Amino acid sequence: AQSVTQPDIHITVSEGASLELRCNYSYGATPYLFWYVQSPGQGLQLLLKYFSGDTLVQGIKGFEAEFKRSQSSFNLRKPSVHWSDAAEYFCAVSNSGYALNFGKGTSLLVTP
Amino acid sequence: GAGVSQSPSNKVTEKGKDVELRCDPISGHTALYWYRQSLGQGLEFLIYFQGNSAPDKSGLPSDRFSAERTGGSVSTLTIQRTQQEDSAVYLCASSRGLARTGGELFFGEGSRLTVL
Repeated sequence: AQSVTQPDIHITVSEGASLELRCNYSYGATPYLFWYVQSPGQGLQLLLKYFSGDTLVQGIKGFEAEFKRSQSSFNLRKPSVHWSDAAEYFCAVSNSGYALNFGKGTSLLVTP
Repeated sequence: GAGVSQSPSNKVTEKGKDVELRCDPISGHTALYWYRQSLGQGLEFLIYFQGNSAPDKSGLPSDRFSAERTGGSVSTLTIQRTQQEDSAVYLCASSRGLARTGGELFFGEGSRLTVL
């Protein structure tokens, strides 16, 4: 079955620093991959998604992610973090049914 | 409406009581999902509805959990004889297409359930 692993439970970065959140998936074929963000008191919002083609995908809020088949990874990046980026980030993969399988999330703290 | 609406936003109940959680999806979205978010556990898939097809109930954790979707729109998640381990945030999402083919899921803000 498809699964998603987010190795980092918590990450702390300074405002203005670069960010990389890790995501590894387990899937037999090329998966559909997603990153969602959950800000405090808000619902989950889609940041970006990968289906096929160019392995570097751009999303909203200045985020990007790179699909690396050889490493079974889909890491999320941002060159310069803003305080408003503090949130919970979830990686997800489509499963053979109808829903998305989500990782357990990475909590991002941004320090001044 | 503009987004997925869920009610109540917060529910505190006593162990053994039944609860109903409501989800009003985005108009025109044929797919509707329920997820459960427990502390440190990510999002756990519960059930999926697509149009008039039979729902995918494979994620429901026990027979105390059930859900229905009336008229292809509003959905109700019912938990009977609640237990303390049912305490979680229950999230509803809807999409125009299937998640497995890339349909974007739009989430509500969730219903936080606390079982005392």
